[in-house]
Amino acid sequence: DQQVKQNSPSLSVQEGRISILNCDYTNSMFDYFLWYKKYPAEGPTFLISISSIKDKNEDGRFTVFLNKSAKHLSLHIVPSQPGDSAVYFCAASGRTGNQFYFGTGTSLTVIP
Amino acid sequence: EAQVTQNPRYLITVTGKKLTVTCSQNMNHEYMSWYRQDPGLGLRQIYYSMNVEVTDKGDVPEGYKVSRKEKRNFPLILESPSPNQTSLYFCASSLSFAGANSPLHFGNGTRLTVT
Repeated sequence: DQQVKQNSPSLSVQEGRISILNCDYTNSMFDYFLWYKKYPAEGPTFLISISSIKDKNEDGRFTVFLNKSAKHLSLHIVPSQPGDSAVYFCAASGRTGNQFYFGTGTSLTVIP
Repeated sequence: EAQVTQNPRYLITVTGKKLTVTCSQNMNHEYMSWYRQDPGLGLRQIYYSMNVEVTDKGDVPEGYKVSRKEKRNFPLILESPSPNQTSLYFCASSLSFAGANSPLHFGNGTRLTVT
């Protein structure tokens, strides 16, 4: 059963606008959440993370929001750039577990 | 340069012919893991290792073996590959175990086709 879900397989956004990628999880024991970006023919690269003691973490154009009560996190990219076009995976892990659980990915296209 | 190196990048083989995909990291990471990526299924964990000589099953371990004799290497072994193991494989490592706020670093992937 998928513990981390990304319900939007794809998203298209105009350059300069905001991109919002969403992720839901089911396991309330998860306490560390990450976003990865993946270009074709490359491995995923770490983008940004957030621990459950926070509800927001910012790094330049990228902000991750965590809503624990809704078991929902989102990644905001502002402003979006064509180089942001990639597949984005969210992932989660728990304090007592030894595994990362990944979503199915959202393919973002930023249109120039 | 800090990196995770997988070899080969591409591999075509036939059913039943044993193969090994190598993975090496130069960051002195304790935790290493193998994932497969399939369309619509995302990244699913095959096996992971907390440290040398410590390995455990992930979510989809059937048909795979691993070993961790040295800290830097974590090979993935398919003793008798089958067509349903055709996939894109990623090796990853992190400084410490999954629950320690330590992100994974990934290799560039191995595209395996089993005919």
